[in-house]
Formats: sequence, C-alpha cells, structure tokens
Amino acid sequence: KQEVTQIPAALSVPEGENLVLNCSFTDSAIYNLQWFRQDPGKGLTSLLLIQSSQREQTSGRLNASLDKSSGRSTLYIAASQPGDSATYLCAVTSGNFNKFYFGSGTKLNVKP
Amino acid sequence: EADIYQTPRYLVIGTGKKITLECSQTMGHDKMYWYQQDPGMELHLIHYSYGVNSTEKGDLSSESTVSRIRTEHFPLTLESARPSHTSQYLCASMRGYGYTFGSGTRLTVV
Repeated sequence: KQEVTQIPAALSVPEGENLVLNCSFTDSAIYNLQWFRQDPGKGLTSLLLIQSSQREQTSGRLNASLDKSSGRSTLYIAASQPGDSATYLCAVTSGNFNKFYFGSGTKLNVKP
Repeated sequence: EADIYQTPRYLVIGTGKKITLECSQTMGHDKMYWYQQDPGMELHLIHYSYGVNSTEKGDLSSESTVSRIRTEHFPLTLESARPSHTSQYLCASMRGYGYTFGSGTRLTVV
C-alpha cells in the first residue's frame, strides 16, 4: 500500500523567507502528484498537479518538483507571506482506480 | 471557485438520527470520492464511485453508505449518527488527473 510522508510536520518562518516543503512516497509507480492547501476547518484547494511524465510545475511563487525514481516531491514557496499560512498536503495516485493517498500535511505559519 | 458543492456546511445533530450529507458537482466528472478528516489529522478515503451505479468502500471502515444515481450527485448517509461520527467530511471529484474538493461538511453528533 502506498504511504505518503510529509516533512516537516510544522514550520514557522518570518515573512519574506523562501521555504521548501517535502513529500515522500513509498511506491514510485505513481500516476500523478498533487499539492493542496487547506485553511483551518475548510476544504482543500489545489495548488499544483504534476503528471507522472513531468518533473515540475510552477504557479506564481510556487514551484513543485517530482522525482519518481527516488519517491520525492518538493514544494518551493518563494518570498513567503502571512497569507501563505495554512496546512499544505501532498497526495499521489497509484494502484488501481486512481485513488489518491494523502500525507498528513505540513502546517506552515508565516510570521509578519 | 468551487464547482463542487457540499451541504450543509455545518451540522449539529442528536445521537440516533439519520442524516444525509449532500455533494454535487457541475463538471460532469465520473469519479467522485468521500474523505473523512478529524481536526489536524490525515484524510481517509471512506467511499468512492467511478460512475453511475458504481460505489466502493474506501480504505477506512465507515458506517456510512453512499449512492450514485446521477453523475452529478453523490450523497453520503448515516442511518444512525453517533458521537464517534463527529468529523469533517470532504467530497471530491476527478476527471483525468487532478482532484477538485468541496468546502466540506463539519458534522457534530451530540
């Protein structure tokens, strides 16, 4: 069974810092990897989707990379802002029926 | 901007009541999913569907049931709510590669 791990579990940085969130998965035979943002008590907002044939995706200040062979993905956030404070979740699809497997998330706090 | 809608947004209900959580999407997606998430914890897949009249149980055992009579509608039902059912329930749909999530229903059973 696919297992997804996110490190660190929590991160607190001052505003303006560049930061990296890490995601690892045990089965490299994935179809896709998706990064989400979740604000407290809310649903999930999709940030970036990387298909298995791709190595990275960029959207604004966010850049996500994928290394299938090593079972790793990183989410890079440039020039962090207090509004970036949220929990960031990584999810991969693998196995039959394209089920997503989620990590437990990284809770980010960006201090003004 | 959500094209997948969940109602109600919040629900407080007494033990033993029957409840149905609604999920609808306007994107024509075939695949739909229900996840359960306790505060600060991981998402757990409890039900999924690959199309009309197709439903499967997920990885986390759940006392809820689902139906998929129409492509756009995937309701989740608890026949007899218990305090252990208190959680957030998230609905998602997918066509192609990525998920789209609803805003969730936060259920409290007292």
